[in-house]
Amino acid sequence: QKEVEQDPGPLSVPEGAIVSLNCTYSNSAFQYFMWYRQYSRKGPELLMYTYSSGNKEDGRFTAQVDKSSKYISLFIRDSQPSDSATYLCAMSANAGGTSYGKLTFGQGTILTVHP
Amino acid sequence: DSGVTQTPKHLITATGQRVTLRCSPRSGDLSVYWYQQSLDQGLQFLIQYYNGEERAKGNILERFSAQQFPDLHSELNLSSLELGDSALYFCASSAGTARQETQYFGPGTRLLVL
Repeated sequence: QKEVEQDPGPLSVPEGAIVSLNCTYSNSAFQYFMWYRQYSRKGPELLMYTYSSGNKEDGRFTAQVDKSSKYISLFIRDSQPSDSATYLCAMSANAGGTSYGKLTFGQGTILTVHP
Repeated sequence: DSGVTQTPKHLITATGQRVTLRCSPRSGDLSVYWYQQSLDQGLQFLIQYYNGEERAKGNILERFSAQQFPDLHSELNLSSLELGDSALYFCASSAGTARQETQYFGPGTRLLVL
């Protein structure tokens, strides 16, 4: 079983829809949670970053972390065709040990927003 | 543009060969990370260097090695290449080693082993 599970989709939605992307994880040491967006043939770029449990909002994007359920979500409101990309969740643990600096990624969800 | 540069963009080689991928971090960043992205395994952490020293190791094969030079650029060496090594290789950089730092990814090197 992978440490981080993410439904690869693909997910296709109409413009203006609310998109919900999710990841589950098994490693309780994860404390930092991120969402990256990756356009085709490009490197991942950081969208959202959250420490421990809670919500964080940035424009049309909201990230939620529920550590008790080991579950994280990314919501995209008023989705646009330009949001079409692969969305990757990523996590990292506390300092120390050989995992220092390591990000563990989900498989990525391919999202298409059609006009 | 993240400020991280990687060369070459594309690389086609044969099984058994050796290649070197190069990464220049963002100006001022001391940490460099290497990741491998394949269709079946997703994006996987390989190794991290901080200011010239190895700091963390992931699922990096013994046939692979990396180093970070005094000017902070890094190279990933892949030897005895196999078909299964075909993948996208990303380099990322961050300012230091704090857990909450953002890792900025380069555009990647696409390796095809024939």
